[in-house]
Amino acid sequence: GENVEQHPSTLSVQEGDSAVIKCTYSDSASNYFPWYKQELGKRPQLIIDIRSNVGEKKDQRIAVTLNKTAKHFSLHITETQPEDSAVYFCAANAGGTSYGKLTFGQGTILTVHP
Amino acid sequence: NAGVTQTPKFQVLKTGQSMTLQCAQDMNHNSMYWYRQDPGMGLRLIYYSASEGTTDKGEVPNGYNVSRLNKREFSLRLESAAPSQTSVYFCASSDRWANYGYTFGSGTRLTVV
Repeated sequence: GENVEQHPSTLSVQEGDSAVIKCTYSDSASNYFPWYKQELGKRPQLIIDIRSNVGEKKDQRIAVTLNKTAKHFSLHITETQPEDSAVYFCAANAGGTSYGKLTFGQGTILTVHP
Repeated sequence: NAGVTQTPKFQVLKTGQSMTLQCAQDMNHNSMYWYRQDPGMGLRLIYYSASEGTTDKGEVPNGYNVSRLNKREFSLRLESAAPSQTSVYFCASSDRWANYGYTFGSGTRLTVV
């Protein structure tokens, strides 16, 4: 089955700096890669996603890049703010007929210091 | 508000007790999922249901059973709870191919003592 590895497990930055979280996946048939943000005690919320026919996608201060050849994708947050502090999860879907099943990375705890 | 509703929000069980976690969605989604979240291990899939009447095992199904009661409801049952099942449980739903990702419920924090 699909295996998703996420790094780093913790990331500490100063307000205004950029943050980058990287994920690798194993299933070459995967074609959908979402990113979720989870604030303390809350449910995960989808913040951005990318499909395999696109190399990069941006939404204001966040962007995601995908390298299908190397099977890795990354989340980039620019001009970080204290409210960006949360746990971030990457995920990849299962290939073939496994419908919408997502495999998640282990999570990155991002702390933005004012 | 449209979304995914989970009950209960908190539960403490004694080892060996049973309980059912309830999940309902009003988004007309075909697929529903149960995940558990443990520190440092991300979200791991317990069971999923691609459509009404079908269920399949995920990564960590041992000790759990599920029922897809109808299109809206997907329950998770612990027949004989163990301390290793202490976790936060999330239900989620999506269209058949998760084209727009998952919508998660608010979670159930379960402690087994």
